[in-house]
Amino acid sequence: GENVGLHLPTLSVQEGDNSIINCAYSNSASDYFIWYKQESGKGPQFIIDIRSNMDKRQGQRVTVLLNKTVKHLSLQIAATQPGDSAVYFCAENFSRKGSARQLTFGSGTQLTVLP
Amino acid sequence: DAGVTQSPTHLIKTRGQQVTLRCSPKSGHDTVSWYQQALGQGPQFIFQYYEEEERQRGNFPDRFSGHQFPNYSSELNVNALLLGDSALYLCASGFGTTFTNTEAFFGQGTRLTVV
Repeated sequence: GENVGLHLPTLSVQEGDNSIINCAYSNSASDYFIWYKQESGKGPQFIIDIRSNMDKRQGQRVTVLLNKTVKHLSLQIAATQPGDSAVYFCAENFSRKGSARQLTFGSGTQLTVLP
Repeated sequence: DAGVTQSPTHLIKTRGQQVTLRCSPKSGHDTVSWYQQALGQGPQFIFQYYEEEERQRGNFPDRFSGHQFPNYSSELNVNALLLGDSALYLCASGFGTTFTNTEAFFGQGTRLTVV
């Protein structure tokens, strides 16, 4: 993922609605993806992960979809709650041959839940 | 079960000084990675330590160095601080170097301000 500077994409949703956050990843060799939630002043918090041999994975209120053809990830949050307001990052995980793995983060999306 | 812990939480340093940040991994984890997160951006990978050796390094100058101790805890050292080093420094722990079967758990971060 590339940094887009100080301007984060934003998404505002009404409480109770579903949210969809999108992410384009950069490396076709990436084989493991993670979604993180980051609240102000805190470290990223793991939400859900998916391997490249899957195209969908569900957790509690969250679903991640992976489209390897277009290198696209999405995070769906059902029945969005005020506590879901945060910045959401996708991260791709790959390993160059002979090297250890590292996470590469996308630019993040600011989700705001409206009452 | 303690998660990833980092110290200190906040730090103010003067340009040209040196700083040491500390990280204790989640219990059972043996890999520590460090990330730099500038305001409004996603975390950027600095390096990863496993078995007390640097295994992978991101695009950061040699002013950034680290160490891992036998108890798996780690330090990040930054020499000759620049104003641009001001950021949230995050530590993530995992098991092994693959991350394939484990989530990367992040600490709360150390907020470094260089003046």
